[in-house]
Amino acid sequence: NAGVMQNPRHLVRRRGQEARLRCSPMKGHSHVYWYRQLPEEGLKFMVYLQKENIIDESGMPKERFSAEFPKEGPSILRIQQVVRGDSAAYFCASSPTDQETQYFGPGTRLLVL
Amino acid sequence: AQSVTQPDIHITVSEGASLELRCNYSYGATPYLFWYVQSPGQGLQLLLKYFSGDTLVQGIKGFEAEFKRSQSSFNLRKPSVHWSDAAEYFCAVAYTNAGKSTFGDGTTLTVKP
Repeated sequence: NAGVMQNPRHLVRRRGQEARLRCSPMKGHSHVYWYRQLPEEGLKFMVYLQKENIIDESGMPKERFSAEFPKEGPSILRIQQVVRGDSAAYFCASSPTDQETQYFGPGTRLLVL
Repeated sequence: AQSVTQPDIHITVSEGASLELRCNYSYGATPYLFWYVQSPGQGLQLLLKYFSGDTLVQGIKGFEAEFKRSQSSFNLRKPSVHWSDAAEYFCAVAYTNAGKSTFGDGTTLTVKP
């Protein structure tokens, strides 16, 4: 059983471009969580999704950020009009239900020039 | 709001020495508690977790942690550190096992030969 997969592993964007980060949960997992890790800091919760539903987006910036987890395919974290402050590592985690441990992917390192 | 404090930003120990990493949390009820390890450029690996029951929890790689309700602490320990243990360690708390987790800012462990 493959672990949580994230791609790309590294992403470079110029200010104003869009960034799309993909997360494929572990097989059988229908719950996905996104976290952001700024340099020298811990992970900060962004959003929690189940298939086709956003359950908790209390950690998402109100503008430019969106997330989805469609019925088919990976979960997508989308950042529009990126700014330098968006440079960070973005981690995805998944769990089979909402009562089980989350498993983390390797992360996507976003660099905004 | 729940919060996690890891008082030590950086710890250096000699190989073979014992290790204790501190973690304090602020939360109204007994939370779910986790310790993760992150190697450079990698994702997070779960070392151990506490939900209820025995307050001394055994994890992978020879790590253990003890939950002390009176001190709101969940310190991580290892009797004899190996050079491969050098990494960053994160303590995290959650309302439920798989709800959004709040992370500490991490402790970087350096192991001297």
